[in-house]
Amino acid sequence: GAVVSQHPSWVICKSGTSVKIECRSLDFQATTMFWYRQFPKQSLMLMATSNEGSKATYEQGVEKDKFLINHASLTLSTLTVTSAHPEDSSFYICSARSGSPTFNSPLHFGNGTRLTVT
Amino acid sequence: AQSVTQLGSHVSVSEGALVLLRCNYSSSVPPYLFWYVQYPNQGLQLLLKYTSAATLVKGINGFEAEFKKSETSFHLTKPSAHMSDAAEYFCAVSVGGSQGNLIFGKGTKLSVKP
Repeated sequence: GAVVSQHPSWVICKSGTSVKIECRSLDFQATTMFWYRQFPKQSLMLMATSNEGSKATYEQGVEKDKFLINHASLTLSTLTVTSAHPEDSSFYICSARSGSPTFNSPLHFGNGTRLTVT
Repeated sequence: AQSVTQLGSHVSVSEGALVLLRCNYSSSVPPYLFWYVQYPNQGLQLLLKYTSAATLVKGINGFEAEFKKSETSFHLTKPSAHMSDAAEYFCAVSVGGSQGNLIFGKGTKLSVKP
């Protein structure tokens, strides 16, 4: 079945540095990728939706200059947390949809990245 | 290692009929289990969660799920389907406790026929 590889699975960084998280679709073309952040009590917040070759669509309240999303190819999307702060520590997970970005396209999840900012 | 299996990638029911979406888990420790729903053109929403309290968990929109340890299951049900329930449903297990990383199943698309 389709696999989405998210890397790294965990990362610790110092405050003020930037961290890049990769989300790759291994055996399908991901026309649309979603980036989520986990909040307390397991709620997942959609941060942004990215379509290959175009700018990501950010959800209200998400700082696009802080969370840079690039979807340069049909198999790779990256999320860069710039100038990370301890409050950015969280679990980030991507998901990818193949085919047309509609309800009928399968959605596959990465295994997530646990970010800890010290 | 924890894992989640959702049986049936696509379920179709008639409006007013019972909804049953199946989820089985594998976990070496007491699991925390969740159901998420994704409506078309929206992000994931938490439907309900099991965190070792009551085994029958009630969620939003009339959904509920029952944790059955003997069957390693956490099936999602709703007595009477509504057209607005058409969505994609994901079962997930938490790795490492209530605030742990989430591992998702492959999802089940629910279609509701008039």
